[in-house]
Amino acid sequence: AQSVTQLDSQVPVFEEAPVELRCNYSSSVSVYLFWYVQYPNQGLQLLLKYLSGSTLVKGINGFEAEFNKSQTSFHLRKPSVHISDTAEYFCAVSDTNTGGFKTIFGAGTRLFVKA
Amino acid sequence: EPEVTQTPSHQVTQMGQEVILRCVPISNHLYFYWYRQILGQKVEFLVSFYNNEISEKSEIFDDQFSVERPDGSNFTLKIRSTKLEDSAMYFCASTEPTGTNSPLHFGNGTRLTVT
Repeated sequence: AQSVTQLDSQVPVFEEAPVELRCNYSSSVSVYLFWYVQYPNQGLQLLLKYLSGSTLVKGINGFEAEFNKSQTSFHLRKPSVHISDTAEYFCAVSDTNTGGFKTIFGAGTRLFVKA
Repeated sequence: EPEVTQTPSHQVTQMGQEVILRCVPISNHLYFYWYRQILGQKVEFLVSFYNNEISEKSEIFDDQFSVERPDGSNFTLKIRSTKLEDSAMYFCASTEPTGTNSPLHFGNGTRLTVT
C-alpha cells in the first residue's frame, strides 16, 4: 500500500521569498504524483501532476515540483510567493497497479505568506 | 469550465439519523469518488465508483456507508445511522474517461455536523 508524508505541517514565509514544501511517498510499485491546493471553504484544485517522463513538472501559479525516484520525494517549489498563495497544499499519490482508483493524500502543509 | 457540484453545502443532523449527500460530477467523467476531511486533519479516501459499482473502498467505508448513481447525473453518499465522529467535510470528485491516472476534480464539499 502506498503512503504520503508531508514533513511540514505549517510553513510561514515572507512575500517574494522562495518556498519549498516537502513530500515523501512510499509505494511498492510505480506511482503517479500530484499536488493540490485548497483555499478556505473550497475544494481541492490540481496544481500539477507527474505521470511519467521529465522529472521536473511545472504547474499553475508559478509552482513546480521535482520527482526524485531514489529519494522517493516530490517536493513543491516556488521561487517567489505572493500573499494569494496562502492556502493548504496537499501531496497525493496513486499507484499504477490500482490504476488510480484510490488516490492517497498527505496530511497537508499550511503555507502562510506574510507581508 | 465544468464543475463538480455538491449539495447541500452544510448539513446538520442528529446522531442516529440517516443522511444523504449529493453530488453532480462533471458530465463526461466516468470515475467518481468520495473523500472526507475531519476538521484540521488529512483528506481521507472513502470510496471510488466506476461502471455502476464500487472499485475500491477504505476501511472507513463500513456497512453504514453506501453510494449510488441513481440516474445519469447524480452520485450520492448515504450514511445510514450517523455518529458524532462522522462530522467532517465530505468531498465528491470525478475524473476524466481518458484514464485512471487523471487528476481528481473536486466539488466544494458538504460540511456534515452530527449533534
